[in-house]
Amino acid sequence: QKEVEQNSGPLSVPEGAIASLNCTYSDRGSQSFFWYRQYSGKSPELIMSIYSNGDKEDGRFTAQLNKASQYVSLLIRDSQPSDSATYLCAVIEERRGGSNYKLTFGKGTLLTVNP
Amino acid sequence: DAGITQSPRHKVTETGTPVTLRCHQTENHRYMYWYRQDPGHGLRLIHYSYGVKDTDKGEVSDGYSVSRSKTEDFLLTLESATSSQTSVYFCAISEELRPYEQYFGPGTRLTVT
Repeated sequence: QKEVEQNSGPLSVPEGAIASLNCTYSDRGSQSFFWYRQYSGKSPELIMSIYSNGDKEDGRFTAQLNKASQYVSLLIRDSQPSDSATYLCAVIEERRGGSNYKLTFGKGTLLTVNP
Repeated sequence: DAGITQSPRHKVTETGTPVTLRCHQTENHRYMYWYRQDPGHGLRLIHYSYGVKDTDKGEVSDGYSVSRSKTEDFLLTLESATSSQTSVYFCAISEELRPYEQYFGPGTRLTVT
């Protein structure tokens, strides 16, 4: 069974610091990776996607992918109290020749940014 | 919430009763999904649809059925609700050109007593 592992946290960082969230996955064939942010009582919101090795930056967010190590991370620079949320890592299960795209989610890491 | 609504938003029902949750989208996206989210388990896929009348099972499909007779609507039915189906249910959609990127509805909190 495919697994996506995250440290449940909570991860606590001071305002203005860099928050580093990590995720490992078991399926070496996985090709697509996503980070979702979920505020308490709300639905998951897609904030980053990454498909190839290396870094992808979007504003204060950087996603990093290392397929050889089966590792994906999310860095949040200049963390703000509004970044306090649970961050979910997700990996796509792709069917060759098919049209179905199923996400496998980690259980999430709770991030708290302290003013 | 990317043009996705779910109804009802909250429901309390008794064990053994049938329950239907509705997901409605205005994006004309091809793919639709039903997830449940529980503490300690995270988000788990129940069923998904890759087109009208085309559906398939996810990892936790036992006790659930789905139907999709129109592009915009995806229904999740609990034929005979059990307490283990108390959960928050999320619908998600993705488009054909970017099928990997799923966008979630606001969720339905279901309590089975």
